[in-house]
Amino acid sequence: QITLKESGPALVKPTQTVTLTCTFSGFSLSTDGVGVGWIRQPPGKALEWLALISWDGFRRYSPSLESRLTITKDTSGNQVVLTMTNMDPVDTATYYCVHRGVYGSGSHPFKYWGQGTLVTVSS
Amino acid sequence: SYVLTQPPSVSVAPGETARITCGGNSIGSKSVHWYQQKPGQAPVLVIYYDSDRPSGIPERFSGSNSGNTATLTISRVEAGDEADYYCQVWDTTVDPRYVFGIGTQVTVL
Repeated sequence: QITLKESGPALVKPTQTVTLTCTFSGFSLSTDGVGVGWIRQPPGKALEWLALISWDGFRRYSPSLESRLTITKDTSGNQVVLTMTNMDPVDTATYYCVHRGVYGSGSHPFKYWGQGTLVTVSS
Repeated sequence: SYVLTQPPSVSVAPGETARITCGGNSIGSKSVHWYQQKPGQAPVLVIYYDSDRPSGIPERFSGSNSGNTATLTISRVEAGDEADYYCQVWDTTVDPRYVFGIGTQVTVL
């Protein structure tokens, strides 16, 4: 059974850096084709993809946010960390950790999602 | 940048068919995935690779993709289908990125 869970601060101040951790189980990030990513959703708005790290260590970022994002996987093998710098109130959102697996041909979906963690940016 | 266009809302009576469109330039050449999101919950994958259903998703959910439009169809709509639905693709047109539509709110009358 694949599960993912996000953790991090619920409240950050403008200009601060936020670190979000995704702790997962039920799969290995070393398996060919697997990826773990982050997607956010401001209150009442649409989903927005942020970043993804693949089984081979390759990282991809949203072009509009790339300069502020860093995604890493830790050596324990079951955590992925996202850091976002220079936080602003517009970054207030629920941040989801997601699993990208291989189930067919073509680009692959985000089949498993964490419950999400709400990050509020306010002074 | 690549844009996916969805109608903001669709209303349907119970037992009828809901069709949610997702427009994009040559979207038929991409794999489209659809997610259902109910209030206060994380999204759930309901259709992947244009028309495949993950296990546990009712057969009432189906998908198609051709030309510039992908479509999610919900047959015999039930009250429990009321939710927001998002389409998603991987776009490599300029800067590679995952793209979501704005979402369509399905209301069951």
